[in-house]
Amino acid sequence: KQEVTQIPAALSVPEGENLVLNCSFTDSAIYNLQWFRQDPGKGLTSLLLIQSSQREQTSGRLNASLDKSSGRSTLYIAASQPGDSATYLCAVRRDNQGGKLIFGQGTELSVKP
Amino acid sequence: GAVVSQHPSRVICKSGTSVKIECRSLDFQATTMFWYRQFPKQSLMLMATSNEGSKATYEQGVEKDKFLINHASLTLSTLTVTSAHPEDSSFYICSARPTGGLLYNEQFFGPGTRLTVL
Repeated sequence: KQEVTQIPAALSVPEGENLVLNCSFTDSAIYNLQWFRQDPGKGLTSLLLIQSSQREQTSGRLNASLDKSSGRSTLYIAASQPGDSATYLCAVRRDNQGGKLIFGQGTELSVKP
Repeated sequence: GAVVSQHPSRVICKSGTSVKIECRSLDFQATTMFWYRQFPKQSLMLMATSNEGSKATYEQGVEKDKFLINHASLTLSTLTVTSAHPEDSSFYICSARPTGGLLYNEQFFGPGTRLTVL
């Protein structure tokens, strides 16, 4: 059974810092991995999607890496801003059938001005 | 593009009543939609997979008679919480996967529905 774990559960940093969020999964047989952002009481916004054959994806100040063999992914946020404050969730998809996502518990990020 | 809406955004109901939540893909067709439940400070738990024109597939431990899912068209899925009780109070989120095209590998999420059962 696939399990997804995110560390840390919560993180508080001053504005401008670079930071790394971690995601690990127990079964390396994944189809893709996706990082999402969730603001309080809101739905999910997709940030980056990495296919199993890829090593990383970049979008603006965000960079996500994937090491499938070790069951790890990281989300790197450069030059953090107060507007980055949110909960970040990673999710893995097992295969291209069905499309079910298994989510981690999330990392609650607070960026202080 | 790839926008998903949910209605209502918030609902308060009395114990024993039924509540219907709609999930719509606004600018794409979605053969498959997913319903999730999220408790405070917790992650999303998949409840069921909704397929257009066929019966939904429920995850283990989810009562299909309590959480009725109907996916009547390629842009609409509904979740009905029947005979709701306070323990059903939660944040319900749907997602939709485009039927085809470049975004087929992704799921797009609705804004969620906050259900409070008194």
